[in-house]
Amino acid sequence: GQQLNQSPQSMFIQEGEDVSMNCTSSSIFNTWLWYKQDPGEGPVLLIALYKAGELTSNGRLTAQFGITRKDSFLNISASIPSDVGIYFCAEQIQGAQKLVFGQGTRLTINP
Amino acid sequence: DAEITQSPRHKITETGRQVTLACHQTWNHNNMFWYRQDLGHGLRLIHYSYGVQDTNKGEVSDGYSVSRSNTEDLPLTLESAASSQTSVYFCASQGANTGELFFGEGSRLTVL
Repeated sequence: GQQLNQSPQSMFIQEGEDVSMNCTSSSIFNTWLWYKQDPGEGPVLLIALYKAGELTSNGRLTAQFGITRKDSFLNISASIPSDVGIYFCAEQIQGAQKLVFGQGTRLTINP
Repeated sequence: DAEITQSPRHKITETGRQVTLACHQTWNHNNMFWYRQDLGHGLRLIHYSYGVQDTNKGEVSDGYSVSRSNTEDLPLTLESAASSQTSVYFCASQGANTGELFFGEGSRLTVL
């Protein structure tokens, strides 16, 4: 089946640093989604990308849909303590409605 | 406000017992999903439904079943719980226009 490779698996950074994570796929997809999961809660959508090359920002978050349609990255600028959590990329399978998720990137921030 | 709720939030059971995790959404979404979350594996799809009386197997469906008798509910049943099914389970429903998934808060299941 489809595979999403998300990296890095974990990150330990200082407050104020910028963060970058990415996802790659073996297949071409039409939609990339980035979710964040706070401890003890379900994932929540951060950014959705629907077009190859699309660059979208949401506050300090920026995400891009790769031009090859097989990759995406998420950047967080000037990290703050509430950015701690697990970040997931997800793809919507072409011709279907279900989502496939990456393994997640666990972000830890040292104050 | 519309929402999605899961119950129970925490459950401990014994190997071989039948367990049902409830999921209820009030958005009137047709599409509902069950995922399990395990360290190193992210979120893996167990079963999903695109409407009443429709159910489909996901990538890790063995040992699980679902039923969809109405729009609001998609209960997940473990017929005979195994220790390998110790996990955190998330239910989600999907918005019709954007494809966005809205997740419940999760149900942590421990099988001893």
